[in-house]
Amino acid sequence: EIVLTQSPGTLSLSPGERATLSCRASQSVSSSYLAWYQQKPGQAPRLLIYGASSRATGIPDRFSGSGSGTDFTLTISRLEPEDFAVYYCQQYGSSPGLTFGGGTKVEIK
Amino acid sequence: QVQLVESGGGLVKPGGSLRLSCAASGFTFSDYYMSWIRQAPGKGLEWVSYISSSGSTIYYADSVKGRFTISRDNAKNSLYLQMNSLRAEDTAVYYCAAFWFGELLPGYWGQGTLVTVSS
Repeated sequence: EIVLTQSPGTLSLSPGERATLSCRASQSVSSSYLAWYQQKPGQAPRLLIYGASSRATGIPDRFSGSGSGTDFTLTISRLEPEDFAVYYCQQYGSSPGLTFGGGTKVEIK
Repeated sequence: QVQLVESGGGLVKPGGSLRLSCAASGFTFSDYYMSWIRQAPGKGLEWVSYISSSGSTIYYADSVKGRFTISRDNAKNSLYLQMNSLRAEDTAVYYCAAFWFGELLPGYWGQGTLVTVSS
């Protein structure tokens, strides 16, 4: 089973700043089958990025994903007030299961 | 508009059973692999089980294998999760999700239903 480790656990930033979130896999993620989700309190997760770098429909271009192999990054270029949330990475290239990282909370400084 | 609506959650005693349902609309349900994903209070996301579009392929996480059963009724656009021998550690919000692109990629999510296992 591929284990995903996200860092940092919490990121304290101000609106307008740049956020850089990391997701490291215990082994290579095949075909860059790595996704990112945003979750706000009391809501279901929302898919932001799939295939490591493709934005899902309706996701603003301030969200970008990069990386391959075992190291992946989600970048939010300029934080908007609605971006403060918890972010999860997920790998989907290793059957039969899928695994999620432990999450990074982006909070207002 | 895509909708996934879970129901059936509630309070149950350890060792008890519960059946969750998920009603789908706004997309061709029978074309999609479906999954249950849970989130314990204040914790991260954990995949529970998934089922292929026809129902012929099913997988479970080790934590629920032998206790939970996933099924679907394509005629009713519905997904189910039968949960037996429930434990305190099964307490969580259970989300129904549809996989995109034929991959294990949950693209559509329901709002979740809370299952609490407590005496």
